[in-house]
Amino acid sequence: GNSVTQMEGPVTLSEEAFLTINCTYTATGYPSLFWYVQYPGEGLQLLLKATKADDKGSNKGFEATYRKETTSFHLEKGSVQVSDSAVYFCALRGDTGRRALTFGSGTRLQVQP
Amino acid sequence: SAVISQKPSRDICQRGTSLTIQCQVDSQVTMMFWYRQQPGQSLTLIATANQGSEATYESGFVIDKFPISRPNLTFSTLTVSNMSPEDSSIYLCSVENDEAYEQYFGPGTRLTVT
Repeated sequence: GNSVTQMEGPVTLSEEAFLTINCTYTATGYPSLFWYVQYPGEGLQLLLKATKADDKGSNKGFEATYRKETTSFHLEKGSVQVSDSAVYFCALRGDTGRRALTFGSGTRLQVQP
Repeated sequence: SAVISQKPSRDICQRGTSLTIQCQVDSQVTMMFWYRQQPGQSLTLIATANQGSEATYESGFVIDKFPISRPNLTFSTLTVSNMSPEDSSIYLCSVENDEAYEQYFGPGTRLTVT
């Protein structure tokens, strides 16, 4: 079956530091990949997506590239802000059968001023 | 994107009782999903609900415990039956944008069972 593995958190960074949150996946075929963000006390928001190999999703300064050869979809941001503090979830949607999302365990990011 | 509302936003219930959670979407969607997020954990799919057919449950979730209705393309309900403290969680509904394969989530229902 499908699975998603994320790096353990929490990740603690100073403001303006570079962020990488690793995400790898296991799936058959050609899944679509997503990053969701959950700010404190809020619901889950779609941050970015990529639907095929070598696609780069981007939003709010965050980027992730769909690497089929390494089955990875790492989230990056060049300069984090305190307002980026949240829990980030990597997820995949299979291209056949089950269309619900399979989520990683989530990574809490704490950005200090 | 879709705008999704859930009712109630939170509730505290006694063990042995049942709670029905409503999910309303501002547009017609084919697929709706119900997830559970236990405290500090990731999201786990409970079931997929398509209009006009029986919900499809994931392993570990059964219809008698989590009956789901999907009477039309904008609405669904999830009932948590005969609750125990282990059912304390956030319950979220989500919908899929049929064209973009994107999924959007409601704000969640925070359930505490005492």
